[in-house]
Amino acid sequence: KAGVTQTPRYLIKTRGQQVTLSCSPISGHRSVSWYQQTPGQGLQFLFEYFSETQRNKGNFPGRFSGRQFSNSRSEMNVSTLELGDSALYLCASSSSPGNEQFFGPGTRLTVL
Amino acid sequence: GENVEQHPSTLSVQEGDSAVIKCTYSDSASNYFPWYKQELGKGPQLIIDIRSNVGEKKDQRIAVTLNKTAKHFSLHITETQPEDSAVYFCAASKVSGGYNKLIFGAGTRLAVHP
Repeated sequence: KAGVTQTPRYLIKTRGQQVTLSCSPISGHRSVSWYQQTPGQGLQFLFEYFSETQRNKGNFPGRFSGRQFSNSRSEMNVSTLELGDSALYLCASSSSPGNEQFFGPGTRLTVL
Repeated sequence: GENVEQHPSTLSVQEGDSAVIKCTYSDSASNYFPWYKQELGKGPQLIIDIRSNVGEKKDQRIAVTLNKTAKHFSLHITETQPEDSAVYFCAASKVSGGYNKLIFGAGTRLAVHP
């Protein structure tokens, strides 16, 4: 069974731009969660989607948003990028909320 | 608020020794505790997890113990090997209501020397 895939793997953007990251969960998994990983703040929860609905959201500004499609694939968007948004963005999938979460390799975003 | 403290931040052991990483959580409603291993350039890999109705769980060289009263859980790796070298993260979650939010510890960098 293929694992969680995230695209792109690397991105370089400049301040003020916006970015969209994509996540395809493990086949059959319907829940997708997003996390931000930085050296200073560690791994922080962004949001969780199940059945195309956002079920939970972390403490991030409204510039961070996401959505989930009917095939369970998910995208997250960051608008008006700031230098501090540079991070590894990780997607995790689970068969349903409350079950084990399996992470993808992440998208490394660099904001210049 | 929700918080998970993890110790030590770095751990260096000789091959064949045991390694222990400890975590403490603040939210007494937490009932699911996974451990992840992250190697350089990769996403976190789930290595073992435990739910609050169990005190200990073992999988070959890896074991996790949970003390709900003390709000404390630990990862034990026996007979360490160089390939165990990585950053290990503990996490806590409240899965009631079906929520998936994991609160992570800050990580432990484990180095196993041949």
